[in-house]
Amino acid sequence: KAGVTQTPRYLIKTRGQQVTLSCSPISGHRSVSWYQQTPGQGLQFLFEYFSETQRNKGNFPGRFSGRQFSNSRSEMNVSTLELGDSALYLCASSSGQGSNSGNTIYFGEGSWLTVV
Amino acid sequence: DAKTTQPPSMDCAEGRAANLPCNHSTISGNEYVYWYRQIHSQGPQYIIHGLKNNETNEMASLIITEDRKSSTLILPHATLRDTAVYYCIVRVEWPNAGKSTFGDGTTLTVKP
Repeated sequence: KAGVTQTPRYLIKTRGQQVTLSCSPISGHRSVSWYQQTPGQGLQFLFEYFSETQRNKGNFPGRFSGRQFSNSRSEMNVSTLELGDSALYLCASSSGQGSNSGNTIYFGEGSWLTVV
Repeated sequence: DAKTTQPPSMDCAEGRAANLPCNHSTISGNEYVYWYRQIHSQGPQYIIHGLKNNETNEMASLIITEDRKSSTLILPHATLRDTAVYYCIVRVEWPNAGKSTFGDGTTLTVKP
């Protein structure tokens, strides 16, 4: 079974630009969540989508947004990039349903974003 | 989600058991204990999880105290490839499974 796939793996953007990152969850998983990881702040939750609806949101500014498609694939977008947005962006998927032990979240390898 | 406390770093000799502790004294009755590890520049890897019983899989064992206020992850025969940051998190299973709070974790260094 294929794991969580994230694209692109590495990218460099300029301040003020916007970026879109893509995530394909494990087949059958309907929940996709996004995390930001930086050396100073560690792993921080951005948002979670389930069945195309945002179910949870972390404490990030409105420049960070996401969406989920009917096939459960997800994208996150960061507009007006700042230097501090340089980070590893991780996507994770789970079944998202209320079953016993059915909600382990599995992470992708991440997308490294550098803002210059 | 309940907060967890882990030692910042630990060393272990190759071939010996690595015992990584985690304190979660404010855990709620419906919160599970999950362990992940992250090798530099890679995404976190799921290791094991449990509610109140001890659990074992091909990677590790999880020992949860009877009062559920702490747990220990055991890697029975540590290898150099087990060098990583290990995260202990506690969270409910549903509906907020995707929203997990990660602390700073424990950096385990396995030495030859």
